Amino acid sequence: AQTVTQSQPEMSVQEAETVTLSCTYDTSESDYYLFWYKQPPSRQMILVIRQEAYKQQNATENRFSVNFQKAAKSFSLKISDSQLGDAAMYFCAYRPLYYGGSQGNLIFGKGTKLSVKP
Amino acid sequence: DGGITQSPKYLFRKEGQNVTLSCEQNLNHDAMYWYRQDPGQGLRLIYYSQIVNDFQKGDIAEGYSVSREKKESFPLTVTSAQKNPTAFYLCASSIRGARGEAFFGQGTRLTVV
Repeated sequence: AQTVTQSQPEMSVQEAETVTLSCTYDTSESDYYLFWYKQPPSRQMILVIRQEAYKQQNATENRFSVNFQKAAKSFSLKISDSQLGDAAMYFCAYRPLYYGGSQGNLIFGKGTKLSVKP
Repeated sequence: DGGITQSPKYLFRKEGQNVTLSCEQNLNHDAMYWYRQDPGQGLRLIYYSQIVNDFQKGDIAEGYSVSREKKESFPLTVTSAQKNPTAFYLCASSIRGARGEAFFGQGTRLTVV
């Protein structure tokens, strides 16, 4: 079964600094999606960034970028120029590429709570 | 605007009662999901449905039931058999295949009183 592990329950960063959140996963599949979701105090889940496993290039969305290491099954999120509004829970998630049976479901890590200090 | 609507936002249940959480989407998504969120547990899958009139149990289905009679609706019933129902419940939907991400509703906070 696939699993997603976030080893940092809490992280803290100074405003305008850079922080990296870690995520590792376990799968026997060769094609899949990886995601980072943000959950602010409102508890609305917001997609931050997406990575397709067949793409070697790391995904980037403005201040957010990932370091995808497929062989190591690692998928870290880097937040540059941190802002107060970045304070939230961040969840790493995995999804197989193809539907069929139980496939297609998002599997989440337990989350990392990020605090941003002014 | 397209999206997923969960209602109510807050729900209180007495011991022994069944309650139903609503989830409606107008994104024309095939797949819908229910997750439960507890502090320190992340999101755990309760039930999912990939097509109308079909659904499967997730990791923690005991004490819950669902139906999928319409593509846009996937209600979750928390039955009296669920011993610890106090939690935050999130509904999500997604299309098959391309891009793969799920879109989430705003959640329902269920509290047993």
